[in-house]
Amino acid sequence: IVLTQSPATLSLSPGERATLSCRASPSISTYLAWYQQKPGQAPRLVIYDASNRATGIPARFSGSGSGTDFTLTISSLEPEDFAVYYCQQRYNWPRTFGQGTKVEIK
Amino acid sequence: EVQLVESGGGLVQPGGSLRLSCAASGFTVSSTYMSWVRQAPGKGLEWVSVIYSGGTTYYADSVKGRFTISRDISKNTVYLQMNSLRAEDTAVYYCASFDSGFPETNWGQGTLITVSS
Repeated sequence: IVLTQSPATLSLSPGERATLSCRASPSISTYLAWYQQKPGQAPRLVIYDASNRATGIPARFSGSGSGTDFTLTISSLEPEDFAVYYCQQRYNWPRTFGQGTKVEIK
Repeated sequence: EVQLVESGGGLVQPGGSLRLSCAASGFTVSSTYMSWVRQAPGKGLEWVSVIYSGGTTYYADSVKGRFTISRDISKNTVYLQMNSLRAEDTAVYYCASFDSGFPETNWGQGTLITVSS
């Protein structure tokens, strides 16, 4: 299963809304997760099963989608949200990741 | 508190072998699923292998036949035996734990493997 993320880079200011996309081929139902990774750190689970926030994740993070098209939305960017975000499918093995979207400060 | 600590990384020559360890605390490795995920320098994440609570294992095609995942319940540790290493195996290797029906939830800090002569 191939996951394609867009855009590669998103340049935004704190307080702005971020919309990240992940497209799956073929369909993966809602078996999609989103991870946040900061430099030198391990990935952190943000969203699982397309729309469920992981433990400790703020409500400004939301996920949506099913089948082939998925979206991660950060409603109002905080300074700590600038990072690389990866989508991952658990529909089947091998689990695959998208190539990542970097959310950078404009 | 769930904690995962990887060790065993380092510099190894092409064709060589290395065994990574992932020591778990706060839970038992036999009761959950454990994965290895790697990240080449400056690149994205690549899933490598998984061991189920029941012992079933799966591998990425890129490592199948060369890497073996296993666990020692008495030490509460999961291993990744890596043989016939190639330059393209150079990466930070993370171990992660998760329950059935979930993605990789808890992650270690990673250990760096460099394959070079």
